[in-house]
Amino acid sequence: GESVGLHLPTLSVQEGDNSIINCAYSNSASDYFIWYKQESGKGPQFIIDIRSNMDKRQGQRVTVLLNKTVKHLSLQIAATQPGDSAVYFCAENVSTGGFKTIFGAGTRLFVKA
Amino acid sequence: DVKVTQSSRYLVKRTGEKVFLECVQDMDHENMFWYRQDPGLGLRLIYFSYDVKMKEKGDIPEGYSVSREKKERFSLILESASTNQTSMYLCASSPSGGAGETQYFGPGTRLLVL
Repeated sequence: GESVGLHLPTLSVQEGDNSIINCAYSNSASDYFIWYKQESGKGPQFIIDIRSNMDKRQGQRVTVLLNKTVKHLSLQIAATQPGDSAVYFCAENVSTGGFKTIFGAGTRLFVKA
Repeated sequence: DVKVTQSSRYLVKRTGEKVFLECVQDMDHENMFWYRQDPGLGLRLIYFSYDVKMKEKGDIPEGYSVSREKKERFSLILESASTNQTSMYLCASSPSGGAGETQYFGPGTRLLVL
């Protein structure tokens, strides 16, 4: 069935360390993936995206890696800061005539000062 | 920047009341969506719309209806609120019907039904 899952529901890292948040997807027809950040009391904000014809994309302090062989997506945050504390979730767009977006449940990232 | 606004951040309603949640986007996006977000369940799609006066059911449409009379505005209606509709409601929009598009979210409305 279709699912987008996260391996770790909670991640705690030391300020300045790198963070890695993982996501597994099961639909091989998915062709576009997005990572969102949701701070407490706010709506999700776009962080970075990647299309299925790529395996890596870099933004400012963030990198998304896509491994289509094992259907795995990860978000790497370099030099994690207290402001990075939030829930992060991945989403996949599946082209099924129209399209459908499937969201993961989220991982909460705690950054320790 | 895309801006999606929702009419209320917090609402408290009683069982049986009719509830209106309003969403407005200012980027001339074709698509608009309503989700609810519950702990451990992620975002679940209630309804979406690809055009004015057009609506499609999402994964959990029961107990809800929607209205899109203008392109920039998408309303979610709870005809008779129930306690199991207590949740965070998120509105989103995206430019057009393509698969490779990001959805832009509003700040959310936290609804408590007593």
